[in-house]
Amino acid sequence: NAGVTQTPKFQVLKTGQSMTLQCAQDMNHNSMYWYRQDPGMGLRLIYYSASEGTTDKGEVPNGYNVSRLNKREFSLRLESAAPSQTSVYFCASSDSLMAGRLVERAYEQYFGPGTRLTVT
Amino acid sequence: RKEVEQDPGPFNVPEGATVAFNCTYSNSASQSFFWYRQDCRKEPKLLMSVYSSGNEDGRFTAQLNRASQYISLLIRDSKLSDSATYLCVVKRGGATNKLIFGTGTLLAVQP
Repeated sequence: NAGVTQTPKFQVLKTGQSMTLQCAQDMNHNSMYWYRQDPGMGLRLIYYSASEGTTDKGEVPNGYNVSRLNKREFSLRLESAAPSQTSVYFCASSDSLMAGRLVERAYEQYFGPGTRLTVT
Repeated sequence: RKEVEQDPGPFNVPEGATVAFNCTYSNSASQSFFWYRQDCRKEPKLLMSVYSSGNEDGRFTAQLNRASQYISLLIRDSKLSDSATYLCVVKRGGATNKLIFGTGTLLAVQP
């Protein structure tokens, strides 16, 4: 059980370049999330997918697009990278309330190891 | 004003000390509360949920005060391995799985 995996671990882009961050989970979770983490700002939600086939904007969606490819995979695309997108990106997944899990664990999110992105 | 506020620290404490962190939240409709732990350059991981009646897990005790809208985490007998950033996390009410993360409190346990 690998949990949540992300690729790549590190990336350097020039302004204007595009790239896709990949995320996959093997826990059969319904919900998946993309966050960015910046010093002093905490984790901020970019996009999320409550279930396969649905995606919704989070707190900071501008400059990003997502694709929920199937239940396992949720990718994040930067179409034209900007220096302001330099950050650490985390993917996470969680089960849904309907899965019969203990209520206190129903909202637990499992995170991938992160992608450190620098845009110059 | 941030929806979840924490003292960033750092809290520098000697091994064996007891240390407490507080966190305040602004949305009175918040439904569920958690503490996550994040080691340096690693991903966050759930430490414990916070129940209305308060709960304990070994050396860790979490408390919730809904009237004052704050959450606390107490760590007894601190170990070097407790050094990390502790994130206060809140789930808003309603049919959503989305979580709101605080910016974290840095704990450094000294030998």
